[in-house]
Amino acid sequence: QSVLTQPPSASGTPGQRVTISCSGSSSNIGSNTVNWYQQLPGTAPKLLIYSNNQRPSGVPDRFSGSKSGTSASLAISGLQSEDEADYYCAAWDDSLNAVVFGGGTKLTVL
Amino acid sequence: EVQLVESGGVVVQPGGSLRLSCAASGFTFDDYTMHWVRQAPGKGLEWVSLISWDGGSTYYADSVKGRFTISRDNSKNSLYLQMNSLRTEDTALYYCAKGPYSSSWDGEFDLWGRGTLVTVSS
Repeated sequence: QSVLTQPPSASGTPGQRVTISCSGSSSNIGSNTVNWYQQLPGTAPKLLIYSNNQRPSGVPDRFSGSKSGTSASLAISGLQSEDEADYYCAAWDDSLNAVVFGGGTKLTVL
Repeated sequence: EVQLVESGGVVVQPGGSLRLSCAASGFTFDDYTMHWVRQAPGKGLEWVSLISWDGGSTYYADSVKGRFTISRDNSKNSLYLQMNSLRTEDTALYYCAKGPYSSSWDGEFDLWGRGTLVTVSS
């Protein structure tokens, strides 16, 4: 049971826009920034979004993040086949004194 | 080249011990907090531990507290994870990951290694 809650799966067709949610509490998302990771099959995770809505250099602007209260979202527009991957949200938890992850969302491009 | 390379993963019996290492290169290692993150086969990511730039602050996931110890040697650009009293549920790919700051931390990891596999089995 993960501290942050994500839907286990999401899907879309090429060109579509999809969103992935991440729900937490006042001790994590409610008081700290949210980060998102993309894990392509058989590879290490890669930082996709940091500080709620910032993209590292090299990440396409098709990827965007937002946060409101104790929830956050990752949006992917202009969906491409190479976006098929697992996506994870993460944040610091002030009560646990630990980094907490969501359970991950498997994105399928139909 | 900026990279992290983990090593030390093997098959070990329950109750055994193991030390993982992570060699950093291409950046100023002692400027940053470092983390261990693990992923059990077919499962999601689980944060394990962090250590501040100078080793003065360490934090652990409840699942490993009292059994694992994180350390670093800045003169060798290396991060370590001493794992004792290993359990079958510790079986996972262990990633070394870099934080973006020296002595503050959140869930941001801007550089990852490829991981080293630890299997705990009799």
